[in-house]
Amino acid sequence: NAGVTQTPKFRILKIGQSMTLQCTQDMNHNYMYWYRQDPGMGLKLIYYSVGAGITDKGEVPNGYNVSRSTTEDFPLRLELAAPSQTSVYFCASHKQTGGDEKLFFGSGTQLSVL
Amino acid sequence: DAKTTQPTSMDCAEGRAANLPCNHSTISGNEYVYWYRQIHSQGPQYIIHGLKNNETNEMASLIITEDRKSSTLILPHATLRDTAVYYCIVRPYQAGTALIFGKGTTLSVSS
Repeated sequence: NAGVTQTPKFRILKIGQSMTLQCTQDMNHNYMYWYRQDPGMGLKLIYYSVGAGITDKGEVPNGYNVSRSTTEDFPLRLELAAPSQTSVYFCASHKQTGGDEKLFFGSGTQLSVL
Repeated sequence: DAKTTQPTSMDCAEGRAANLPCNHSTISGNEYVYWYRQIHSQGPQYIIHGLKNNETNEMASLIITEDRKSSTLILPHATLRDTAVYYCIVRPYQAGTALIFGKGTTLSVSS
């Protein structure tokens, strides 16, 4: 298993540009998450999904959109990039097994908006 | 709302035990305590979790007080590679809930 795979690893955007951060997992996990981490700070939850076709907002959803058309994929869309979205983005997943889930993380996407 | 309180930073000498405290005074009966760590800029890594009983695995031990209002993560013999940010998270077993991370404790292990 490759686990949780994120692409790209690095990206520089200009203000107002759009892009999609890709996340895929091959562990048949039903739960998937997007977090962002600003320099020196903890992780903030952007969006999450409990299964294909179901998504929900986290703590900081403004400026982002997600979709979950398949179990494996959970892309994060930035429509109008702003400097405040400069951050490291982590995708994660786990299987709902009854309260003792272990979260698996991808290696992150470092995004700079200039 | 992370629902947990952790010290901002701690130091530990290499080879000694590192005891990381976490306060979760508002924990509910169906909520688990999870610990993760993040080494430098990598994605967080699962360490251990528990509900009521103390737990031990190959990485660490988790001690939960009887009233469940606090817990301690113990790294029995800290090494330089254990230098990381450690996150204590409380999560209910409830469909549709998400893991919320707080600010964590930065553990610095020195020789």
